[in-house]
Amino acid sequence: DVVMTQSPLSLPVTLGQPASISCRSSQRLVHSDGNTYLNWFQQRPGQSPRRLIYKVSNRDSGVPDRFSGSGSGTDFTLKISRVEAEDVGVYYCMQGTHWPPTFGPGTKVDIK
Amino acid sequence: EVQLVESGGGLVQPGGSLRLSCAASGFTFSAYWMTWVRQAPGKGLEWVASIKPDGSAKYYVDSVKGRFTISRDNTHNSLYLQMNTLRAEDTAVYHCARAVGDTDSWGQGTLVTVSS
Repeated sequence: DVVMTQSPLSLPVTLGQPASISCRSSQRLVHSDGNTYLNWFQQRPGQSPRRLIYKVSNRDSGVPDRFSGSGSGTDFTLKISRVEAEDVGVYYCMQGTHWPPTFGPGTKVDIK
Repeated sequence: EVQLVESGGGLVQPGGSLRLSCAASGFTFSAYWMTWVRQAPGKGLEWVASIKPDGSAKYYVDSVKGRFTISRDNTHNSLYLQMNTLRAEDTAVYHCARAVGDTDSWGQGTLVTVSS
């Protein structure tokens, strides 16, 4: 199985400041169809996960533009340009290129 | 609007069985792969099983193979997970999700607790 790792696992941030989460995969995530199925999910306290980013860098509908995704191959990054209070939660990367789909361990974002 | 509503969770003894259901609406259910994902209390996310749109192919994580069965009823826009021989380590919130590799919509989940 593809192992997904994230860093940091805990990220205290100051409101209005940027934040960045790294995600690495044990195998390259380019699918035979040419797409890279790397997603980012946000899970707010007490809620189910919500997808923010799909195929590395595409924002889902309704996701604020302060969220952005980038990367290729085995290294990917989620950035929040200016953290807001509603961004508190756990962020997971997930690969859907190889069977079975696998998730990173999660990065807990909270406010300093 | 895509809606996925799970039901059927509860407390069950080790070795027991439970059947989870997921009612889907707001999209053409029969056109999508569907997936179950679980989250143990305070832990991360784990993909459990997926099923092809017509039900002809099913895939499972190794830890549930032979014990869990995923199925669907496209007439009633419903997804199911039959769980047998349950173990303490199956305790989790089980989420129904649309699609697989590019899964985009999840339900709120239903809690399964395996304990004596």
